[in-house]
Order: sequence, then structure tokens, then C-alpha cells
Amino acid sequence: DSGVTQTPKHLITATGQRVTLRCSPRSGDLSVYWYQQSLDQGLQFLIQYYNGEERAKGNILERFSAQQFPDLHSELNLSSLELGDSALYFCASSDRGPPYTFGSGTRLTVV
Amino acid sequence: QKEVEQDPGPLSVPEGAIVSLNCTYSNSAFQYFMWYRQYSRKGPELLMYTYSSGNKEDGRFTAQVDKSSKYISLFIRDSQPSDSATYLCAMSVYSGGGADGLTFGKGTHLIIQP
Repeated sequence: DSGVTQTPKHLITATGQRVTLRCSPRSGDLSVYWYQQSLDQGLQFLIQYYNGEERAKGNILERFSAQQFPDLHSELNLSSLELGDSALYFCASSDRGPPYTFGSGTRLTVV
Repeated sequence: QKEVEQDPGPLSVPEGAIVSLNCTYSNSAFQYFMWYRQYSRKGPELLMYTYSSGNKEDGRFTAQVDKSSKYISLFIRDSQPSDSATYLCAMSVYSGGGADGLTFGKGTHLIIQP
């Protein structure tokens, strides 16, 4: 157990739908990072939050958004889902900078 | 040219061999270098973390960074079948303000044959 908790582990949904993925960082970590892993693209950085504020954006689509709450857990919202959004979504946390500890991921399947 | 290049393999070696995994990168601003191990699409597990050029050893693992050549390596000694996994190199620019994300290589699929 890495200390980073992600729910749900698996999610199957239809195209056009909206889902929310949840991440609880390791105790004491203030930063949360979201990554997408697909077979052809590898691990791609989506977005970072630090103590409730957005700090950096990577290759995140406009249909996707995230937030970090006062208790430091984070949610990644994916809307208007397309088949190509099927992937593993990982959350990682750290105190400030590297290294980063990853959760076990959410496997999203869009049908 | 991708920022981080890593041979996807598969790399197959016999048990007990020394394994060498490598990544090259193009962004000279990268300061932090990590190696992660990932089993069957599980969460990446941090193996090694280095900041400066040079070698860092931890048990059977040695990480090597050559910033002048923009080249990093991970060596695994006395390889075991349980080392069979995908190895991902990752690197980042740390601004000090907490604003950064990791750039990953595509990963090398390693197979240790018993």
C-alpha cells in the first residue's frame, strides 16, 4: 500500500457520460498530480494541485477538470466521454516536489 | 523529437544477469531523475531517485545520471524473475514553487528468464 488511495478501481461507462475519479494523497502530502496512461501514449501528466490551488497543467483536455478540497483529497472530472478516453488514470502525491508516490489507479473503460 | 526517449523492448535476459536500462532526454532543464517499476498496469512504484550527476546505489539497483550527455541508466544486479516488469524513467524540472509534473519515457518491458 503506497498510502495514495484511488477510487473506484474500475469504471465502465458509455460515451457522452461524465465520471468522477477520487484520490486521497499520502498523509502530509500537499501536492496531488493526475496522470493518464494509455497504451499508445504512455504516462501523460494532466494537472497538479498544491494545497487547494492549481499549480500546473499538462496535456489535459478541456472536457476534463479537477479540484483539490480543503482536506486535500482531489477529484478528476471527465465529461462528454469518448472511446479514446479509455485509459488508466493515476494520482500521485508529494510534499512539495519530487519524488512522487503513485496510487494504484482507476481503469476507465468507455463503451 | 520526444523529450524523453526509452527503448520499449522487450528486453529478455537470463536470471542472474546484469540488466542495463537507459533513457535519453533533450530538455537540459530537467533536474530530478527517477526510475519507476510497474507491474501489469498497476501503479508505478518508485525505485530510485537522483538529483545530481553521478551514481546512486540501493541494494541491487544502481542509478546513473550523466547530465552532460543527457543520459540516465538503471542497472539491476543479480536479476530475478520477480524483476520482470516495465521500467519507466521519469524526470522533472522543479521550480521551487511546487509547480511541475513528471515527464515519463514510454517504459522498457523487462523479462527475466528463470
